[in-house]
Amino acid sequence: NAGVTQTPKFQVLKTGQSMTLQCAQDMNHNSMYWYRQDPGMGLRLIYYSASEGTTDKGEVPNGYNVSRLNKREFSLRLESAAPSQTSVYFCASREGFMNTEAFFGQGTRLTVV
Amino acid sequence: LAKTTQPISMDSYEGQEVNITCSHNNIATNDYITWYQQFPSQGPRFIIQGYKTKVTNEVASLFIPADRKSSTLSLPRVSLSDTAVYYCLVDGYSSASKIIFGSGTRLSIRP
Repeated sequence: NAGVTQTPKFQVLKTGQSMTLQCAQDMNHNSMYWYRQDPGMGLRLIYYSASEGTTDKGEVPNGYNVSRLNKREFSLRLESAAPSQTSVYFCASREGFMNTEAFFGQGTRLTVV
Repeated sequence: LAKTTQPISMDSYEGQEVNITCSHNNIATNDYITWYQQFPSQGPRFIIQGYKTKVTNEVASLFIPADRKSSTLSLPRVSLSDTAVYYCLVDGYSSASKIIFGSGTRLSIRP
């Protein structure tokens, strides 16, 4: 049972390049989340999907787009990367839309130069 | 969405009991209190969740007074491996499906 899997684990981008971070969960969870975590800071919610077919903005959505491809997969896209988007990105999922335990992936460390 | 406030950092020693208090004055009636633990270079991990009074599992206890405006995470007999950041969250209808993390409490355990 893999849980929440993120790819890639590391990525270096040049300013202006685009990329998609992939997240897949095998727990049949309804809700999925994308966070970013800057050094020494807490996690900030970028986008979330409470159920398949829906997506909503979180605390820091600017510069990002998401796609809930199916129940298992939730991708995060940077259309034109900026140095300010250098961060560690975490994907999470949980069964319900509240009051249930969230499971996190191992993170993607992204550097934009 | 109820805002949470917790100490930025705490220090303790191996074998001690550690209590981390979180304030959530605007908690809604149907909100739960949830705590997560995060080690460096890892995603957060669920520790415990409660609604009122006391909840205990194999890792920690969670104490919630009757007014529910605060909660205390208790870690019994900590070890060096409990060094981590601990996040208190409020989760329920008021969060509208979102899971919002605050700054957390950085707990350092010394030998």
